[in-house]
Amino acid sequence: GQQLNQSPQSMFIQEGEDVSMNCTSSSIFNTWLWYKQDPGEGPVLLIALYKAGELTSNGRLTAQFGITRKDSFLNISASIPSDVGIYFCANAGGTSYGKLTFGQGTILTVHP
Amino acid sequence: DAGITQSPRHKVTETGTPVTLRCHQTENHRYMYWYRQDPGHGLRLIHYSYGVKDTDKGEVSDGYSVSRSKTEDFLLTLESATSSQTSVYFCAISAGKYSNQPQHFGDGTRLSIL
Repeated sequence: GQQLNQSPQSMFIQEGEDVSMNCTSSSIFNTWLWYKQDPGEGPVLLIALYKAGELTSNGRLTAQFGITRKDSFLNISASIPSDVGIYFCANAGGTSYGKLTFGQGTILTVHP
Repeated sequence: DAGITQSPRHKVTETGTPVTLRCHQTENHRYMYWYRQDPGHGLRLIHYSYGVKDTDKGEVSDGYSVSRSKTEDFLLTLESATSSQTSVYFCAISAGKYSNQPQHFGDGTRLSIL
């Protein structure tokens, strides 16, 4: 089946720093989704991208749908302690019934 | 809050015993999904449902069965639990099957099989 390669696996940063993570695949997709998971909770949708080249922001978060349609990037500016968590990319790959495939996740730790 | 309740939130059981996890939604959404989350694997789809009594297998369905007799409830059963099924299980719901109708997740069930 399709696989999403997410990197980096983990990041340790100081509060105020910017963060970048990405997700790549060997397949072409029509949608990229970015989720965040706080400890002890389920993933929450941050940003959804529907068009190649699309750049979408949600507060300090910005995500881009790669023009090759095989990758996506998530940037967090001026990180704060509550940004701590696991970030996942995901997509449905155009399959039926909305089944999602997830990347392995990026664990973000922010030091005050 | 997307109106999803998973029960139990935590369970410890022994190898070989049957286990049933419940997902209950108050959104009247048609689509429901069960995922498991393991370190280094992200979330992987176990089974999904596209309507009452309509279910199908996902990526890692071996050893699991599901049932959906009502719109609001989606049950995941481990007929004979094994240690490899120790994991965190998440239920998700969606109003539609298209990617512009994103899934919303419950808070998970942490299952330990000894």
